[in-house]
Amino acid sequence: EDKVVQSPLSLVVHEGDTVTLNCSYEVTNFRSLLWYKQEKKAPTFLFMLTSSGIEKKSGRLSSILDKKELFSILNITATQTGDSAVYLCAVERGTYKYIFGTGTRLKVLA
Amino acid sequence: DGGITQSPKYLFRKEGQNVTLSCEQNLNHDAMYWYRQDPGQGLRLIYYSQIVNDFQKGDIAEGYSVSREKKESFPLTVTSAQKNPTAFYLCASSSRDRLSTDTQYFGPGTRLTVL
Repeated sequence: EDKVVQSPLSLVVHEGDTVTLNCSYEVTNFRSLLWYKQEKKAPTFLFMLTSSGIEKKSGRLSSILDKKELFSILNITATQTGDSAVYLCAVERGTYKYIFGTGTRLKVLA
Repeated sequence: DGGITQSPKYLFRKEGQNVTLSCEQNLNHDAMYWYRQDPGQGLRLIYYSQIVNDFQKGDIAEGYSVSREKKESFPLTVTSAQKNPTAFYLCASSSRDRLSTDTQYFGPGTRLTVL
């Protein structure tokens, strides 16, 4: 059975800390892995990863995929209170079929 | 403004009633999706449609039905056969690029409560 597991389930840090969120997967016919940020309602897209070892960066956020060990990490440096959200990992297996992890709830304290 | 709209934002329904959730996109995306989100369970795929007049069941399609008569619209009907319909419903759309990669964009969601 296909599955996506995110860890930790929740995390509380102080502003300025660096956090690493994990996403491991076991799926048939892997196509891509995506990260989303969900603050209140609609998840917003962060990164899509298809190749191992290539880091994607956007400001203080970065992500990398390891297709051999079947995991991805999302790093956030110099965290801010605005980073507080649920971070979702999703894997596209086959065509157009996505499976999501349960998410990591991040709270950044001022 | 390009985007995905869902209506209504909140919906209350009595047990035994069917209800239809609206999803419209003006992004010219071919593919559209419906997900259900419950606390602690992430998003689960209900139905998806790759193209007009075609759709496939996702992981939890029982008790739901969809139609895709127009490219812009993908309504979801929650039928009385759905045993536990209270949840947050998210619609998404996507379009494959020339590298055949696909990024989904989400609507704001509809929170359905069955009384």
